[in-house]
Amino acid sequence: DQQVKQNSPSLSVQEGRISILNCDYTNSMFDYFLWYKKYPAEGPTFLISISSIKDKNEDGRFTVFLNKSAKHLSLHIVPSQPGDSAVYFCAASDTQGGSEKLVFGKGTKLTVNP
Amino acid sequence: NAGVTQTPKFQVLKTGQSMTLQCAQDMNHEYMSWYRQDPGMGLRLIHYSVGAGITDQGEVPNGYNVSRSTTEDFPLRLLSAAPSQTSVYFCASSYEWTSTYNEQFFGPGTRLTVL
Repeated sequence: DQQVKQNSPSLSVQEGRISILNCDYTNSMFDYFLWYKKYPAEGPTFLISISSIKDKNEDGRFTVFLNKSAKHLSLHIVPSQPGDSAVYFCAASDTQGGSEKLVFGKGTKLTVNP
Repeated sequence: NAGVTQTPKFQVLKTGQSMTLQCAQDMNHEYMSWYRQDPGMGLRLIHYSVGAGITDQGEVPNGYNVSRSTTEDFPLRLLSAAPSQTSVYFCASSYEWTSTYNEQFFGPGTRLTVL
């Protein structure tokens, strides 16, 4: 049973426009969420995170929104740049419940066209 | 800091061979983990460790062994390689599991092919 779902395998946007990547989760015990970016032949790199006590976290061009009632989070990139083209993974964890595991979605490949 | 290092970068094995994937970190992180990435499957947790001497299974542990004798090192052993273990393997570490900022740092990966 997939606990973290990224239902869009790919997304293509124009440079300068907004990119919105979505993620849904099923485990209501998840209380910390992270987004990672991965370029080909490299390890994933941390992008931004959000705790369940917040509904928004911003870092430069990147904003993550959390809707706990819908068990949904999204990553907004504004404006999108060609260098943002990568695979983006959503991940979630239950930091208080004793399950010391980070659960990843399958990823969304973002292509930003010049 | 070198961060998280993994060796080798590439490896080809024959079915039934054994090998150890090495992972080391120099950030004094307590939590370390191994993931495998397969096309269309995302990152799946194999084994993890919350500190030296403590290891536990992740989502896909079968066919893999780990040990954690020091804080710095977390090797992954394949005792009898199978073609189903062809994958890209990533090691990751974080300061501790229950920290407020549970950001994991990933190594560059080991691409393993089992023939």
